[in-house]
Amino acid sequence: EPEVTQTPSHQVTQMGQEVILRCVPISNHLYFYWYRQILGQKVEFLVSFYNNEISEKSEIFDDQFSVERPDGSNFTLKIRSTKLEDSAMYFCASKVGISTDTQYFGPGTRLTVL
Amino acid sequence: QQQVKQSPQSLIVQKGGISIINCAYENTAFDYFPWYQQFPGKGPALLIAIRPDVSEKKEGRFTISFNKSAKQFSLHIMDSQPGDSATYFCAASPPSAYQLIWGAGTKLIIKP
Repeated sequence: EPEVTQTPSHQVTQMGQEVILRCVPISNHLYFYWYRQILGQKVEFLVSFYNNEISEKSEIFDDQFSVERPDGSNFTLKIRSTKLEDSAMYFCASKVGISTDTQYFGPGTRLTVL
Repeated sequence: QQQVKQSPQSLIVQKGGISIINCAYENTAFDYFPWYQQFPGKGPALLIAIRPDVSEKKEGRFTISFNKSAKQFSLHIMDSQPGDSATYFCAASPPSAYQLIWGAGTKLIIKP
């Protein structure tokens, strides 16, 4: 069964450094998402992406965040200057189309900012 | 208006018992209500979902009950098994919106 994959599984970085989290959505999916989950807390929506542009973003997704689909398979989340409070699990998700509800999640990247 | 409130925060159920997790929402425009199951170290996985045009949906041991007038929906796990031990999240989405709005999660432990 096709899966969403994410790399790396764990990223440790120093405060102020840039990080790029990578995702490979399911191949025929058109809608892509990033969510984050601070340890022990709820899942929070960051951004959705369709047709090579952001379709919706939350208040969390400020100027320090950006997303890109650099090629036909990868979907990346960049944090320009990490802060301690960016430490969380970051999940990528994808779905087939707007009329299809099910979002399929990757296993997540644990980001630790020191 | 955009919140989804989930309870309880944690739940311990004996094997074979019924696990019940509740969620309430405020925005009457929400039209899609999924439940996700998350095991430690894994991403959330869709368990079952419902739209407000039906009051109940059953898939195997998992049932969603939906009360549109009360703006509440719940997950029932019948004959709960130790393998059901996980964190369960309810979520909701308004029409034509891309994001899911999540509840706080319920950590379910099934005791053998």
